[in-house]
Amino acid sequence: QKEVEQDPGPLSVPEGAIVSLNCTYSNSAFQYFMWYRQYSRKGPELLMYTYSSGNKEDGRFTAQVDKSSKYISLFIRDSQPSDSATYLCAMSVGYGQNFVFGPGTRLSVLP
Amino acid sequence: DAGITQSPRHKVTETGTPVTLRCHQTENHRYMYWYRQDPGHGLRLIHYSYGVKDTDKGEVSDGYSVSRSKTEDFLLTLESATSSQTSVYFCAISEGGVDEQYFGPGTRLTVT
Repeated sequence: QKEVEQDPGPLSVPEGAIVSLNCTYSNSAFQYFMWYRQYSRKGPELLMYTYSSGNKEDGRFTAQVDKSSKYISLFIRDSQPSDSATYLCAMSVGYGQNFVFGPGTRLSVLP
Repeated sequence: DAGITQSPRHKVTETGTPVTLRCHQTENHRYMYWYRQDPGHGLRLIHYSYGVKDTDKGEVSDGYSVSRSKTEDFLLTLESATSSQTSVYFCAISEGGVDEQYFGPGTRLTVT
């Protein structure tokens, strides 16, 4: 079993839809949870990070962590074609510790 | 890309040849990382550095070595390239905070 799992997609949705992207993990020691967005042939860029359980909102993006279920989610409201990218989750056991990345979910938002 | 450059951006090489990839930063960040990205595996850490001449192994370090003689440069060397090292290689920098890891544009390496 991989330490961090993600559905690879591709996930295709119409413009304006609410998108839900998810990761599951096996290491209960993870405390920091990140979401990165990666456009084709570019490096990943950090979207959001959360510490421990709970929700965090930033504009159209909401990150949710459920440590009891070892499950994290990223919701995108009012999705736009510019949101079309691969979304990677990443996790760390502590501040300054190395990250473990999921394989990514490819999202296409159709105009 | 937050003051990070990688060179070369593309390279094709033959099995058995040594290859060196360079990462250069202008941010004066303490930590530097080398990852490889392959379909179905996501980003996997090869080596990282926490200061000049201070390096450590990551998850997939076999067949790779690194050096950091200056704060701004982090070199990744494939001692004898193999086809399994065909991948996209990303450099990242950080000051150590979980929300501060910035990635370079990547190097696409093909080993024939």
